[in-house]
Amino acid sequence: DAGVTQSPTHLIKTRGQQVTLRCSPKSGHDTVSWYQQALGQGPQFIFQYYEEEERQRGNFPDRFSGHQFPNYSSELNVNALLLGDSALYLCASSLVGPSPEQFFGPGTRLTVL
Amino acid sequence: GQSLEQPSEVTAVEGAIVQINCTYQTSGFYGLSWYQQHDGGAPTFLSYNALDGLEETGRFSSFLSRSDSYGYLLLQELQMKDSASYFCAVRGLSGGYNKLIFGAGTRLAVHP
Repeated sequence: DAGVTQSPTHLIKTRGQQVTLRCSPKSGHDTVSWYQQALGQGPQFIFQYYEEEERQRGNFPDRFSGHQFPNYSSELNVNALLLGDSALYLCASSLVGPSPEQFFGPGTRLTVL
Repeated sequence: GQSLEQPSEVTAVEGAIVQINCTYQTSGFYGLSWYQQHDGGAPTFLSYNALDGLEETGRFSSFLSRSDSYGYLLLQELQMKDSASYFCAVRGLSGGYNKLIFGAGTRLAVHP
């Protein structure tokens, strides 16, 4: 049973560019959440998708957008990249409901030059 | 807003017991979770407290006191492989069932 997978593993972009990160949830999971983790910090919640709709959003600008597909996979898009967007982007999948556990993918390391 | 505070670093020796504290300022959350993250790895779920009290899972235990806005993770019989960062996180703020708000993390170093 495959866990959460993310692609690409690493990415280097320049300021002003746009990036798309991809996530496949653990088999059977219907909810995908995205987090940004700066070096030495805890993950920061970006948004969460369920039934192909954004359900919750953290304190991130509209430059950050996402999508969930019918097979529950998800994309995170970031436009007009800033140096401060350099971070590890984590995807986590779970089942909607009372189970507390979220399963995290290995992340995409984004570097903005 | 919501915030969680943890010590930035803790050091211990193999075989010892260590407690990582977490204090929070928030309301209306469903529970307190703990995650472990090795360098370069993904966070992995360790424990969860929906109610006040102690939850035990093998060598790891977690405690929550909502009246004191406080929780802790207790690691027993420490092993070298326990060297990692540990995060507390509140779950389900503002109706978001699976939304997690993380603390900044505690880096645990286990020495022989």
